Amino acid sequence: NAGVTQTPKFQVLKTGQSMTLQCAQDMNHNSMYWYRQDPGMGLRLIYYSASEGTTDKGEVPNGYNVSRLNKREFSLRLESAAPSQTSVYFCAIQPWTSPQHFGPGTRLTVL
Amino acid sequence: GQQVMQIPQYQHVQEGEDFTTYCNSSTTLSNIQWYKQRPGGHPVFLIQLVKSGEVKKQKRLTFQFGEAKKNSSLHITATQTTDVGTYFCALSGAQKLVFGQGTRLTINP
Repeated sequence: NAGVTQTPKFQVLKTGQSMTLQCAQDMNHNSMYWYRQDPGMGLRLIYYSASEGTTDKGEVPNGYNVSRLNKREFSLRLESAAPSQTSVYFCAIQPWTSPQHFGPGTRLTVL
Repeated sequence: GQQVMQIPQYQHVQEGEDFTTYCNSSTTLSNIQWYKQRPGGHPVFLIQLVKSGEVKKQKRLTFQFGEAKKNSSLHITATQTTDVGTYFCALSGAQKLVFGQGTRLTINP
């Protein structure tokens, strides 16, 4: 996975619970991304970070917050989970001018 | 923002048959990338096309970029069971990728 790790691999939440999805890279790249993938919907960008300390909204940011405290880690937080947030979440990194490398994903179910 | 339509959404073939997926955009693209995602896996980069009319081959996979740079295709010759998965095209620009909806390929052995 080009040095991209995600934790946890699986998670079940109840509606209203909060949690943070963690992503870490060991390749020292500036750009990091969070996507969600739903059946038949492809990959939709939630948030991205072009460099340490900066974050920008993607296509579907509502209900999520992110944090890029250092170059290595980019976390995604659900403050109050909803069933509509049941999805597979992928973190990705992008070396400059190179394609994106994806982590293994977190499968989240919200009951 | 830019969008890309990918068709078909699903394709089921007999092993040995050919397979093609198409990506279409209403605007001119600077480049296009293709990714493959195996069932239960994560997307993996296959190739990037940049030039108008570009054709690139990877073994049984042939990638084309349209002359007007508004469409692209991925063709697999003589599919094998290892080709099963979802194929995505993606537009790159402004430090982001925009993905097509993907074409899910299933194969009857």
